Amino acid sequence: EIVLTQSPDFQSVTPNEKVTITCRASQNIDSSLYWYQQRPDQSPKLLIKYASQSFSGVPSRFSGSGSGTEFTLTINGLEAEDAATYYCHQSTGFPITFGQGTRLEIK
Amino acid sequence: QVQLVESGGGVVQTGGSLRLSCAASGFTFSRYGMNWVRQAPGRGLEWVAIIWHDGSNKYYGDSVKGRFTISRDDSKNILYLQMNSLRADDTAVYYCARDVAGRGSHYFDYWGQGILVTVSS
Repeated sequence: EIVLTQSPDFQSVTPNEKVTITCRASQNIDSSLYWYQQRPDQSPKLLIKYASQSFSGVPSRFSGSGSGTEFTLTINGLEAEDAATYYCHQSTGFPITFGQGTRLEIK
Repeated sequence: QVQLVESGGGVVQTGGSLRLSCAASGFTFSRYGMNWVRQAPGRGLEWVAIIWHDGSNKYYGDSVKGRFTISRDDSKNILYLQMNSLRADDTAVYYCARDVAGRGSHYFDYWGQGILVTVSS
């Protein structure tokens, strides 16, 4: 099983700040890494596919990078609506796995 | 627009069974694989099962293997999850999610609103 470890688990940030969330995979997954946003009491929404490609309709302040075993999600110019939990996800093999999540709180 | 609507959740006793449904609309259902993902209260996301677009392959998470069965009815555009031998740790919100396969992996581009399953003794 491929384990995904996110850091940090929690971050309290101010609006307009730049935020970076890291996801490390226990083995090489090339660029098959995806990022989701889950706002409180909502279902998850796809942000980034194949490590760095933005999904349709996602604001340009969200970007992804990385390959192999280390990946990052960056939010440039944080907005209040970005308060959410962010999950990375891989499915190069089964079982499909998610990171444990990173909760962002807006100060 | 793509819509996924889960139903069939509720309270069930330990050891009981429940069948979840996910009604799909706004896209050609038979062209897409589908997944179930769950989230226990206050916890993270856990993948449960996947079914290929043509039903030819099904895979399950270790915690549900042998107890849960994923299936689909393309004539009705409905995805199912049959859950048997339910345990307290199956208590969760269950989401269906559309699968996009390519480059040797899968991602989930649209999710339903989720349905709560509570397993109680």
